[in-house]
Amino acid sequence: AQSVAQPEDQVNVAEGNPLTVKCTYSVSGNPYLFWYVQYPNRGLQFLLKYITGDNLVKGSYGFEAEFNKSQTSFHLKKPSALVSDSALYFCAVRDVTSNTGKLIFGQGTTLQVKP
Amino acid sequence: DSGVTQTPKHLITATGQRVTLRCSPRSGDLSVYWYQQSLDQGLQFLIQYYNGEERAKGNILERFSAQQFPDLHSELNLSSLELGDSALYFCASGGGYEQYFGPGTRLTVT
Repeated sequence: AQSVAQPEDQVNVAEGNPLTVKCTYSVSGNPYLFWYVQYPNRGLQFLLKYITGDNLVKGSYGFEAEFNKSQTSFHLKKPSALVSDSALYFCAVRDVTSNTGKLIFGQGTTLQVKP
Repeated sequence: DSGVTQTPKHLITATGQRVTLRCSPRSGDLSVYWYQQSLDQGLQFLIQYYNGEERAKGNILERFSAQQFPDLHSELNLSSLELGDSALYFCASGGGYEQYFGPGTRLTVT
């Protein structure tokens, strides 16, 4: 079965410091991976995706993610965190066992950026 | 703004009742996905429609049903509601790999 794991419930970082939100995946075949962000009382916003190609993917709001096939990871990163980055972050994988495109989400990681 | 709209934003109803959640996908998107977000289950896929046809079913209860209309908007019907159905229900649409989510409908069952 395909799955995604986000090992940290919460990540705390000081403003201006680099941040990393971790994600590991388990899929059969090539993974299609995504990061979404959810602000309080809002829907999920798409940040970036990895389908194929360069292992470093750049996305919205200065975020990037590094795909590592050997470690089956897709960690979200940002060189310098902002207080406004504080939110709930979800990693997801597209279900390729059924030709539907449905997403399988991790449990989410709360990012807290302190001034 | 993702371009996906959902109504209503909030819904408060009693156990045993039936409600309908509505979703309009982004212009041009043929696929509509429904997800449920709850504290204990996280984000769970419920059902997908593609151009009016059911494409996939996930962890959707038999008390729940959905449909997609010719104008591509979709409705999720929840019946015989229980306290445990209280959750945030999201609709998403997409034409490529990523999906774009609506703002959600927060359902509270009392």
